[in-house]
Amino acid sequence: EPEVTQTPSHQVTQMGQEVILRCVPISNHLYFYWYRQILGQKVEFLVSFYNNEISEKSEIFDDQFSVERPDGSNFTLKIRSTKLEDSAMYFCASSLTGTTDTQYFGPGTRLTVL
Amino acid sequence: GDSVTQMEGPVTLSEEAFLTINCTYTATGYPSLFWYVQYPGEGLQLLLKATKADDKGSNKGFEATYRKETTSFHLEKGSVQVSDSAVYFCALSDSSGGYQKVTFGTGTKLQVIP
Repeated sequence: EPEVTQTPSHQVTQMGQEVILRCVPISNHLYFYWYRQILGQKVEFLVSFYNNEISEKSEIFDDQFSVERPDGSNFTLKIRSTKLEDSAMYFCASSLTGTTDTQYFGPGTRLTVL
Repeated sequence: GDSVTQMEGPVTLSEEAFLTINCTYTATGYPSLFWYVQYPGEGLQLLLKATKADDKGSNKGFEATYRKETTSFHLEKGSVQVSDSAVYFCALSDSSGGYQKVTFGTGTKLQVIP
C-alpha cells in the first residue's frame, strides 16, 4: 500500500539554525499538508499546498516557515531560524483531492531545538 | 471555527473489555469525520472514517457512527486487546472554505492491561 514517507525521523538543531524537513507524498496525490504536534498537545494544521502554491495556512505558519515542492516527488518544510518553541513532531500529509478526500499522514519528524 | 472535543484520558482497560471514547464536534459545513490512531513511537494512521450523517465507519473491530443530531462520532470496540494500546484522535475535515484541513481533538490515550 502506498504511504507517505518523511526524513529525517529525528532532527536536533541549535536555536537560530535553519532546518528543512522532507516528505515524499503518495505519488498520485495532488494536495500536500504540514501539521505539527507539540509534545502532549493536539495536532495542529500548518499549511496546505496545491499546484505549487500555498492554498491555506494557519496563524502558526508565519514568515519563518516556507514550503516547497522542489521536484516531482519531494515536499519540504523549511524553518528559517528555529526557536525553542518550534520543538515538536511535524507530520506531512497528502490527499488525492482537496475537498472531501482522506488525508494520509507520514510517520513524522521529531524536531528538537536546543 | 471548527473544533473537536474528545474525552480526557488516559483510559485504562483490561483485555477483552468494552471500549468507548466519546467525541463531539462543531463545524460550519458538512464535515467528514475520522478516527486516527498513533501507536507508541509512530505516526498517525487512519483508523476509520465517515463522510455523511448516519454513516458507520469500521476497521479492525472498531466502529463509529456519524450522528449529526448529536454532533458526535464516538469510537467503540467490543473487546480490546493489549495491542490496541495507543493514542486515539478524533478529527474532522471541512472543505467549506474551499480547501480542506483536518482539525484534531486532543487525543485519548488508551492503555490495555493483560
